[in-house]
Amino acid sequence: DTEMTQSPSTLSASVGDRVTITCRASQSIGLYLNWYQHQPGKAPRLLIHRASTLESGVPSRFSGSGSGTDFTLTISSLQPEDYAIYYCQRCDVYPYTFGQGTKVEMK
Amino acid sequence: EVQLVQSGAEVKKPGESLTISCEGTGYTFGNYYIGWVRQVPGKGLEWMGIVLPGDSEAKYGPSFQGQVTISASKSDGTAYLQWRSLKTSDTAMYYCGRRAFISGAFDLWGPGAMVTVSS
Repeated sequence: DTEMTQSPSTLSASVGDRVTITCRASQSIGLYLNWYQHQPGKAPRLLIHRASTLESGVPSRFSGSGSGTDFTLTISSLQPEDYAIYYCQRCDVYPYTFGQGTKVEMK
Repeated sequence: EVQLVQSGAEVKKPGESLTISCEGTGYTFGNYYIGWVRQVPGKGLEWMGIVLPGDSEAKYGPSFQGQVTISASKSDGTAYLQWRSLKTSDTAMYYCGRRAFISGAFDLWGPGAMVTVSS
């Protein structure tokens, strides 16, 4: 099965910072990559699908890029409500494996 | 309102059986796959498996094959996650999610159901 590896595991940032999270697949998954935000006590929230398509209602400060094996989630200007754990997920073939998560914490 | 409504928290003993549910409302339930995701306390999200309502054959992640049963009924508008014999290691939050038709992403999530297995 294709493994999904995120880096870093934890990221310390301040409000207004530009934040970049990377996700690497162990084999090519084309554009079949999703990004989710997960805050404590809440259900995960889909941010981006097909590597770069912003889900409806998601602020434009979130963006995704990449294809094949290397992908990036960028938050252009971190807001207080963005402190959370972010997961990438492949969705080319089953199982739709998640990355291990990246925690964005307050610096 | 389009939503997934999950059954409540459960406290069970090792060896007991359990079924938790996920009801889809506000959309045509039978048209979308429903998946299950586990989050062990302090750990990340794990994809457990997925099923199309009315289809007898669910697909499972390798860690969950043979450990749980995933099913979904079109007539009930509900998906189920079933254990025959719980282990303490099954203690986790369980989320159901709707697989978007085109993208394959989980675009709608239930609130989660906490399952605690303790003697």
